[in-house]
Amino acid sequence: QLVESGGGLVKPGGSLRLSCAASGFTFSTFTMNWVRQAPGKGLEWVSSISSRGNYIYYADSVKGRFTISRDNAKNSLFLQMNSLGAEDTAVYYCANQDLASGYGFDIWGQGTIITVSS
Amino acid sequence: QSVLTQPPSASGTPGQRVTISCSGSGSNIGSNTVNWYQQLPGTAPKLLMYSNNQRPSGVPDRFSGSKSGTSVSLAISGLQSEDEADYYCAAWDDSLDGWVFGGGTKLTVL
Repeated sequence: QLVESGGGLVKPGGSLRLSCAASGFTFSTFTMNWVRQAPGKGLEWVSSISSRGNYIYYADSVKGRFTISRDNAKNSLFLQMNSLGAEDTAVYYCANQDLASGYGFDIWGQGTIITVSS
Repeated sequence: QSVLTQPPSASGTPGQRVTISCSGSGSNIGSNTVNWYQQLPGTAPKLLMYSNNQRPSGVPDRFSGSKSGTSVSLAISGLQSEDEADYYCAAWDDSLDGWVFGGGTKLTVL
């Protein structure tokens, strides 16, 4: 199970830190991802972090503004979001990436809503 | 504009067979396997198909996937009302070093 938290209303230019708490699987062995969905729009991958945190990838749309991290001891995934703009308004999901499922995103959280507005 | 191209909508009547296409390029579908996700209204996405044509446990065999070159297709046979959802294809893109999704296809069961 994955449970996101940290969403809310933030002003343009502001910052926010999302958390994702994992349970029921061996978190430390899975690559983890953040995926977002703007209102009425499709899915957009945001960032990935490998199991040990040594491989990190970002979508061009967030590179330089967002930072993904994890704490395997606490079974937690994070997304630090800075310089937020209206285009970042979305539901943010965390999802694991399962080698046994062709690296598919096998477990998803319920999502946390970020609204960027003045 | 999504890197992977899907039709925005598809429809069928109960019992029919429908297919949803997804086209990409050599750096994504042409080089890597594709996964499909189903998103029911108001819920988080669910992994529906992985590695082009493999069904996770619990996914009915009415769902099937295929791949040819830089395109993939998802087929749903024996369409049911509960299949009404948004469907997304996704693949790793070697040039972008990231996952790319299709724009999504809204399936309506008439």
